[in-house]
Amino acid sequence: TQLLEQSPQFLSIQEGENLTVYCNSSSVFSSLQWYRQEPGEGPVLLVTVVTGGEVKKLKRLTFQFGDARKDSSLHITAAQPGDTGLYLCAGATSNTGKLIFGQGTTLQVKP
Amino acid sequence: KAGVTQTPRYLIKTRGQQVTLSCSPISGHRSVSWYQQTPGQGLQFLFEYFSETQRNKGNFPGRFSGRQFSNSRSEMNVSTLELGDSALYLCASSLVTLNTEAFFGQGTRLTVV
Repeated sequence: TQLLEQSPQFLSIQEGENLTVYCNSSSVFSSLQWYRQEPGEGPVLLVTVVTGGEVKKLKRLTFQFGDARKDSSLHITAAQPGDTGLYLCAGATSNTGKLIFGQGTTLQVKP
Repeated sequence: KAGVTQTPRYLIKTRGQQVTLSCSPISGHRSVSWYQQTPGQGLQFLFEYFSETQRNKGNFPGRFSGRQFSNSRSEMNVSTLELGDSALYLCASSLVTLNTEAFFGQGTRLTVV
């Protein structure tokens, strides 16, 4: 059974602080996606990483895919209240639409 | 370009009833996947349909079923509803290349009473 372990599960920080969310697995993924979800809405795709060691930046968000394509991290610099939400990592292992999701990280950024 | 559309947004059903949820994928996307999201279990994969065929299936009982039509629209059915089926049901559509990117609808919030 493929699992993605995401940590931490909850994070409450002050505006302006930095944070990192981790996503780890013993399985190799062909690609890994990060999503952000607001309450009562569907997840919104933030980024897809494909190559081992790949780093992608989206404004203050930096995403990294591990060299072995088993783990990933999301780093947010100078967090803002608008970053509040549920962050989900999801791995794809084959040429299908099936994704394995981590449990999610609930982020609260206080002004 | 229209996104993924799920109907209805909210549903209240009684134990023992059955329910059908609908999903219209992004135009041109042939893969539709369904997920169940609960606070305790997170996002759990139900099944994936591609070109009207079920291609992948998660670990859910046979009460959960689905189908896909020739226009890629998909329906999900849950029979003999249980209280534990209360959840947000999410549909995702994908182009399905080597780097699968899933685009989600807003979900259907099902409450079983």
